[in-house]
Amino acid sequence: DAGITQSPRHKVTETGTPVTLRCHQTENHRYMYWYRQDPGHGLRLIHYSYGVKDTDKGEVSDGYSVSRSKTEDFLLTLESATSSQTSVYFCAISAPTSGGASTYEQYFGPGTRLTVT
Amino acid sequence: TQLLEQSPQFLSIQEGENLTVYCNSSSVFSSLQWYRQEPGEGPVLLVTVVTGGEVKKLKRLTFQFGDARKDSSLHITAAQPGDTGLYLCAGAHPRDDKIIFGKGTRLHILP
Repeated sequence: DAGITQSPRHKVTETGTPVTLRCHQTENHRYMYWYRQDPGHGLRLIHYSYGVKDTDKGEVSDGYSVSRSKTEDFLLTLESATSSQTSVYFCAISAPTSGGASTYEQYFGPGTRLTVT
Repeated sequence: TQLLEQSPQFLSIQEGENLTVYCNSSSVFSSLQWYRQEPGEGPVLLVTVVTGGEVKKLKRLTFQFGDARKDSSLHITAAQPGDTGLYLCAGAHPRDDKIIFGKGTRLHILP
């Protein structure tokens, strides 16, 4: 258990409204990620962070912004939600592999199901 | 662009049967992870393989990393209904450790 929580777990919102999803971690991990998961597309990276105030775009970043003002919190904002942003959103952290290998593995939160009507 | 292809996309078999699912790429990875995801939950890490040819076992699940570190397989012996779920593989890029995911194999074990 990597101590990752997401809020809210479910949200229904209307097209054009702003939405913010929160990811909280308790173990001081440096790297955090936001993914969306859709049928036929798998997990797609939206944005990621490699430290406080250090963020970068993933492959599907259009329409999304992120902020990380504290190590433990990574926020994903949809400035003006569209129906194409209906999806399940997952937050993840990256941690060094146990056993001494110099590589990383990811641990996921429980997800937020967002419906934009 | 690195791609991870998983096959089959869907698999439905009877309890007690054996099965193998595959994760293939033309690119080399520094490591490869396997996850299982159940409905309404996030992916859960099962195993990480790092060395070419490495084999890891987790009860009835056997994971193998290809010798060239471009592919991996997951073999399940005597499948149980509890094995039902979406199995995802993910590879870490050797230069920057960026992780890419396959689209998954959806496995259904019939009691």
